[in-house]
Amino acid sequence: LAKTTQPISMDSYEGQEVNITCSHNNIATNDYITWYQQFPSQGPRFIIQGYKTKVTNEVASLFIPADRKSSTLSLPRVSLSDTAVYYCLVGAFSRGKLIFGQGTELSVKP
Amino acid sequence: NAGVTQTPKFQVLKTGQSMTLQCAQDMNHEYMSWYRQDPGMGLRLIHYSVGAGITDQGEVPNGYNVSRSTTEDFPLRLLSAAPSQTSVYFCACSRGLGNTIYFGEGSWLTVV
Repeated sequence: LAKTTQPISMDSYEGQEVNITCSHNNIATNDYITWYQQFPSQGPRFIIQGYKTKVTNEVASLFIPADRKSSTLSLPRVSLSDTAVYYCLVGAFSRGKLIFGQGTELSVKP
Repeated sequence: NAGVTQTPKFQVLKTGQSMTLQCAQDMNHEYMSWYRQDPGMGLRLIHYSVGAGITDQGEVPNGYNVSRSTTEDFPLRLLSAAPSQTSVYFCACSRGLGNTIYFGEGSWLTVV
């Protein structure tokens, strides 16, 4: 199982770009990398998913280097409402066992 | 969190009591799982299922049982509740490889 390591916490200010990096040195060939966002008292919700290179959607970008041993979630121009815990999840559903890391608590200040 | 329904939302148990947390999904997803989240902590996998009739243990399975008789339902049973099982429990489902995990709204359990 691919173990993930993220910073425990990060601080930012409104309007800044935030980059959160996740390390996953033993990622397997068929593992995907998925990021989730969790607000207090709610279940996590999907942000973005990728396998290699770069993926972009309306809320974030995901950068994955060629060796896939890390990934970086990029949140452009964060706002106060982006204050949440962000989880990096690495795994393949075919193997079933999806283990979350400890997550990164992002605090956005005015 | 449309599609994954957890009941009850709140429950208080006495030590030694048993109970079942219900989880139902209407998306016909193969994969279902249960996580617990203690205050200020991350999600820990309790049990999971890759399809009807198939279940397996996650990181913290002790004290919990599951079954998957249908695609839609994945109940979590606490056999003899302990204060250490006080937590928020999340049920989740997914269609399969490369697809998003959908989480329920959570069940808050307090064991006194």
